[in-house]
Amino acid sequence: DAGVIQSPRHEVTEMGQEVTLRCKPISGHNSLFWYRQTMMRGLELLIYFNNNVPIDDSGMPEDRFSAKMPNASFSTLKIQPSEPRDSAVYFCASSLGPGTSGSNEQFFGPGTRLTVL
Amino acid sequence: AQKVTQAQTEISVVEKEDVTLDCVYETRDTTYYLFWYKQPPSGELVFLIRRNSFDEQNEISGRYSWNFQKSTSSFNFTITASQVVDSAVYFCALSDRNTGNQFYFGTGTSLTVIP
Repeated sequence: DAGVIQSPRHEVTEMGQEVTLRCKPISGHNSLFWYRQTMMRGLELLIYFNNNVPIDDSGMPEDRFSAKMPNASFSTLKIQPSEPRDSAVYFCASSLGPGTSGSNEQFFGPGTRLTVL
Repeated sequence: AQKVTQAQTEISVVEKEDVTLDCVYETRDTTYYLFWYKQPPSGELVFLIRRNSFDEQNEISGRYSWNFQKSTSSFNFTITASQVVDSAVYFCALSDRNTGNQFYFGTGTSLTVIP
């Protein structure tokens, strides 16, 4: 399997612009997670989906952030408008979901390094 | 509430030394899962191990070993005969039945292995 795929790997944009990050989870995984990593705040969960349905978006910093999962093989994280404080590495991860045996490990994509000038 | 504490922010060792990374967790659930991830300088997060709360056996995988002790709520990670390639940030994570498959990550321990 190709693993979790994220695009773009790097994004540099100017304040106020719309940014869209993309993720393709591992085939067969039914849970998808978006994280943000910064030096100051570490690794933060932004939102996660089970079977394409958003379960918990309490980590989304504000209304400028939105995430969608239109099907089992694709998700987007959008920031509109972007601000310099959004600069971070954004990771997408997928897992088989809790299932009947409990929690399963998450597999992470390579991340998107976002710089907002 | 769930919490994971990695008190060691940074550790430096000389190559071939053994090193232990500490992880202390908090949960009220009796069924929970603990994980370790490695983040090398290249940036990706690599899954290393999962352990459930009913299995307290220590595990060894090559130079890596994990010591799970429920009595002290710890899940420590030891690298034997460290190598330069072990230089990375290591994260410990917790999930339980209340969190579903949501993870709570520690703040990470940055390990530098000096040649």
